[in-house]
Amino acid sequence: GIQVEQSPPDLILQEGANSTLRCNFSDSVNNLQWFHQNPWGQLINLFYIPSGTKQNGRLSATTVATERYSLLYISSSQTTDSGVYFCAGVSNFGNEKLTFGTGTRLTIIP
Amino acid sequence: DAGITQSPRHKVTETGTPVTLRCHQTENHRYMYWYRQDPGHGLRLIHYSYGVKDTDKGEVSDGYSVSRSKTEDFLLTLESATSSQTSVYFCAIRTGLAAPLDTQYFGPGTRLTVL
Repeated sequence: GIQVEQSPPDLILQEGANSTLRCNFSDSVNNLQWFHQNPWGQLINLFYIPSGTKQNGRLSATTVATERYSLLYISSSQTTDSGVYFCAGVSNFGNEKLTFGTGTRLTIIP
Repeated sequence: DAGITQSPRHKVTETGTPVTLRCHQTENHRYMYWYRQDPGHGLRLIHYSYGVKDTDKGEVSDGYSVSRSKTEDFLLTLESATSSQTSVYFCAIRTGLAAPLDTQYFGPGTRLTVL
């Protein structure tokens, strides 16, 4: 199966700062998604982004499928952005199962 | 939240006992999934279902079985719980098979402790 690497593993920022989270895939993927797990454990789907760029408020994501990576941008961070961010993808070579990275833990300090 | 509930939300059990976790959805989605989440491993797929009575294994299926007798319910059973199955278990649904609907939404999770 595919391998999914996320970087950095941990990130601590002051409120108001911007951040970029990266996700690398070992092979071609489709159905690339970003999720946020808040401090209470709830997993929220942020983006479905197999290619191109999408924006939702202060969050945006870009996937360059040909180079097998995706970036999640968070601007003007707020304390509610804290938590763990996961990316996940499905191999282009079948099985239709999402493989998750191990996440980036983001902590926003007031 | 795509109308997904999980029960129980918390459970403590003893090694060797059977345990069943339930996932219930209200929106008639065909695909349902069970994941476990452990520190350092992200989310790993245990089993999934692509329709009533249609299930398949994920990457960590040993020691687990599933059943889906109705579209809305997907059950995960630990036949004889072991301490290594202490984890947080998430159920998920898939909203469609083609973009832009092919996304997954998760239930609130069940925290299982096996003593």
